[in-house]
Amino acid sequence: NAGVTQTPKFRVLKTGQSMTLLCAQDMNHEYMYWYRQDPGMGLRLIHYSVGEGTTAKGEVPDGYNVSRLKKQNFLLGLESAAPSQTSVYFCASSYSLTDRTPGNEQFFGPGTRLTVL
Amino acid sequence: DAKTTQPNSMESNEEEPVHLPCNHSTISGTDYIHWYRQLPSQGPEYVIHGLTSNVNNRMASLAIAEDRKSSTLILHRATLRDAAVYYCILRREYGNKLVFGAGTILRVKS
Repeated sequence: NAGVTQTPKFRVLKTGQSMTLLCAQDMNHEYMYWYRQDPGMGLRLIHYSVGEGTTAKGEVPDGYNVSRLKKQNFLLGLESAAPSQTSVYFCASSYSLTDRTPGNEQFFGPGTRLTVL
Repeated sequence: DAKTTQPNSMESNEEEPVHLPCNHSTISGTDYIHWYRQLPSQGPEYVIHGLTSNVNNRMASLAIAEDRKSSTLILHRATLRDAAVYYCILRREYGNKLVFGAGTILRVKS
C-alpha cells in the first residue's frame, strides 16, 4: 500500500514554462486535494475534488488548473509558471468529507518542491 | 472559518508528557477540532480530532474544555520522533478544507 504518491519530487522551471504535477492514491478515496506551503507558513488549499470528473476551487486557485479523469489520480497544472508559485506542493486524499463518520482524516503525499526562476 | 491560536514553539524532554495548547474562542457549535503534525521535510500527518468529548487514540489524547474555547493535545511520552510542527485546526462538520495556521514547533530534547 503506497498511500499517496507525488511525481516529481523536485522541479525547477523558468518563468512562463508549464508543467503538470501528478498525484496518485491507492486507497480508493473519493476526495482529493492540492495544497501549497510557502516557507515558514501553514498549508493553503489550491483546488480539491469530490469525485472523478469533478473539481472545485480552494483558497488560492489563481494560476493553477486541475483535472480528475480517474478516481486514483489528481493532476495539478501550471500553464505559465511565475516566481510567486515557488513553493512545496502537497497532495492529499480522504475517504469522506464529513467529520461525523470515520475516514475523514486526510492522508498527505511527500510533496513536490518547485522552484520558478 | 474560526481562528485558532497556538504558541510558536515548545520544548519537551524525551519520555515526558507534552501538553500542546490551542485557543479557539470563536469556535461554533458545528466546528470539529483537528490536530495534524508535520515532521521535517514530510507532508502533514493526521493525529486526532474531536467535537466535545475527550478523545484518545494510539498517537495522542485530545482534551477539550467544557466551553470548547480551548483544547489540549497530549502526547503521553514524547520521543525524538515527535519533534514536528503541530497544527490545531477547526473545521465545519461538512467542511471540505483544512485551514492550516503557523502551528507550534515542538522540540524534544534527549
